[in-house]
Amino acid sequence: DTEVTQTPKHLVMGMTNKKSLKCEQHMGHRAMYWYKQKAKKPPELMFVYSYEKLSINESVPSRFSPECPNSSLLNLHLHALQPEDSALYLCASSPTRSSYNSPLHFGNGTRLTVT
Amino acid sequence: QKEVEQNSGPLSVPEGAIASLNCTYSDRGSQSFFWYRQYSGKSPELIMSIYSNGDKEDGRFTAQLNKASQYVSLLIRDSQPSDSATYLCAVRAAGNKLTFGGGTRVLVKP
Repeated sequence: DTEVTQTPKHLVMGMTNKKSLKCEQHMGHRAMYWYKQKAKKPPELMFVYSYEKLSINESVPSRFSPECPNSSLLNLHLHALQPEDSALYLCASSPTRSSYNSPLHFGNGTRLTVT
Repeated sequence: QKEVEQNSGPLSVPEGAIASLNCTYSDRGSQSFFWYRQYSGKSPELIMSIYSNGDKEDGRFTAQLNKASQYVSLLIRDSQPSDSATYLCAVRAAGNKLTFGGGTRVLVKP
């Protein structure tokens, strides 16, 4: 079982909907990540939070809005998505962002379908 | 040139054989290297990490790193059908983001 918990597991939303993805970890990690993964492709980095501050935004469209309320929680707010945004959204955490030997621990992901 | 390259496969191996996966990277400043296993529709699962040149063994898995050649590999001994998955190589330079290769799909045939 993963120690990074993501909810919901599946989400179907229309292009005019507003929804949120949630991620929680209790490993004391101070870096948290959002990745997007399309079928048969590797994960693509979207955002990195380090000590609850946004440190990397990989030029993600503004219809994706991340939020880190505290060191254990990471949200991804979704609004006015497009069908091509349908993908597996992965949350990950690591002890710190800068430590080179910090592997990422992934949650089980949210399978998002935009109709 | 992609930063981290892997053969996409599929790599087909008979049950009980050794599966050999390769990964090359372009950033000479890379310091840490990871292998993740991902089953279809599931999230990546860390199976090996390696930081210094040489071999590192963990059960049926052996990671090999050669920084001079910018090459990292993963050997799976006594391959089982349950090893059928996509294996992602990931590379990190100090303070930098983790960069994934495209993944190698492995099929272990009974």
